[in-house]
Amino acid sequence: QSVLTQPPSASGTPGQRVSISCSGSSSNIGTNTVNWYQQLPGTAPKLLIYSFYQRPSGVPDRFSGSKSGSSASLAISGLQSEDEADYYCAAWDDSLNVFVFGTGTQVTVL
Amino acid sequence: VQLMQSGAEVKKPGASVKVSCKASGYTFTGYYIHWVRQAPGQGLEWMGRINPNSGGTNYAQKFQGRVTMTRDTSFNTAYMELSGLRSDDTVVYYCARSPIVLAGTWYFDYWGQGTLVTVSS
Repeated sequence: QSVLTQPPSASGTPGQRVSISCSGSSSNIGTNTVNWYQQLPGTAPKLLIYSFYQRPSGVPDRFSGSKSGSSASLAISGLQSEDEADYYCAAWDDSLNVFVFGTGTQVTVL
Repeated sequence: VQLMQSGAEVKKPGASVKVSCKASGYTFTGYYIHWVRQAPGQGLEWMGRINPNSGGTNYAQKFQGRVTMTRDTSFNTAYMELSGLRSDDTVVYYCARSPIVLAGTWYFDYWGQGTLVTVSS
């Protein structure tokens, strides 16, 4: 059972904006940086956002991250069919001394 | 940058498995190698990391005593060995790279393709 909670699913039509929440605590998101990963079916995860809002080169600016207190969010604007994937937040937890991933959110493009 | 992992394995309960992760395209000793696993249809679970420069390791408590992470800098390769295999160790194991920074700022910018380990009698 992960200490980072995400909604199990999210959906939208092409062009819409979708937001995914990641709820944590003071020992993880409240203190440390948050990353977001995209995992397409049958492939390894891919880094989307690091240090809350930074994008690696090659990641479209349609993907954006933010943080508020002990929660973080990933927003996908201008949703595209290729965005159908599982999305995970992640952060180090100071209390558990472990790097934790969120429960994951499956994004569906209707 | 590439992380190339060894192929799928089938092991019997109680056995050990050793998965390799060969790095190329960057300075191997300049980045941590982490191991993350994922059960079929499930989420991601961090197992630990190794500093290829010093060989120093940091394991998740859940795997303490069962996991050993090593590296061979001559071959730019990291290894993860898991012993006492059980059926719930039937998962895909990934290696991933992070900058050598404090744990609170880790992020995994490159990943291996994954290695499926099946534990079955």
